[in-house]
Amino acid sequence: GAVVSQHPSRVICKSGTSVKIECRSLDFQATTMFWYRQFPKQSLMLMATSNEGSKATYEQGVEKDKFLINHASLTLSTLTVTSAHPEDSSFYICSASRPGGEKLLFGSGTQLSVL
Amino acid sequence: GESVGLHLPTLSVQEGDNSIINCAYSNSASDYFIWYKQESGKGPQFIIDIRSNMDKRQGQRVTVLLNKTVKHLSLQIAATQPGDSAVYFCAEKTGANNLFFGTGTRLTVIP
Repeated sequence: GAVVSQHPSRVICKSGTSVKIECRSLDFQATTMFWYRQFPKQSLMLMATSNEGSKATYEQGVEKDKFLINHASLTLSTLTVTSAHPEDSSFYICSASRPGGEKLLFGSGTQLSVL
Repeated sequence: GESVGLHLPTLSVQEGDNSIINCAYSNSASDYFIWYKQESGKGPQFIIDIRSNMDKRQGQRVTVLLNKTVKHLSLQIAATQPGDSAVYFCAEKTGANNLFFGTGTRLTVIP
């Protein structure tokens, strides 16, 4: 079946550094991918919609200059957290759906800890 | 055991009992609903979905019920097992819009 792969699963970084998270659709092409953020014991909050070959669409309140999204190919989207700070520590999850499908498939998530 | 979703975010059931997880969705125009299971430190896993033109759908050990009149969705898990322990989220979608996730219910299965 269709699989969404996310890497890395866990990252610890120092405050001020940038972190890149990759999301890949393994056996299908995804023109659209989604990035979510989840704080402990809370629900998933959509951050942005990543569109292949064009700019991402950010949800209200999400800083586009801080959370850089690149969707350079039909199977890869990346989220870069720039100049990370402790308050950026969270669980980041990507998702995608097969062409013509509505069911979102999720990556395994990335736990970001900023010291 | 039964939860009321937003008002009781945790549900504990004995192994072998049936579980009912409830969700009150917000948009009467939503036409597609999904239940996801999320284990600690992992991404959500698809369980079952239902469209608004249906009121019931069954899968393996799981049943989703949709009551559009009161905007209520439920997930029934038969013969709950320890491996079912997780957080369960309902999600709703309206047309081409993005999925909106509910707050989630933590299910704990007591051996």
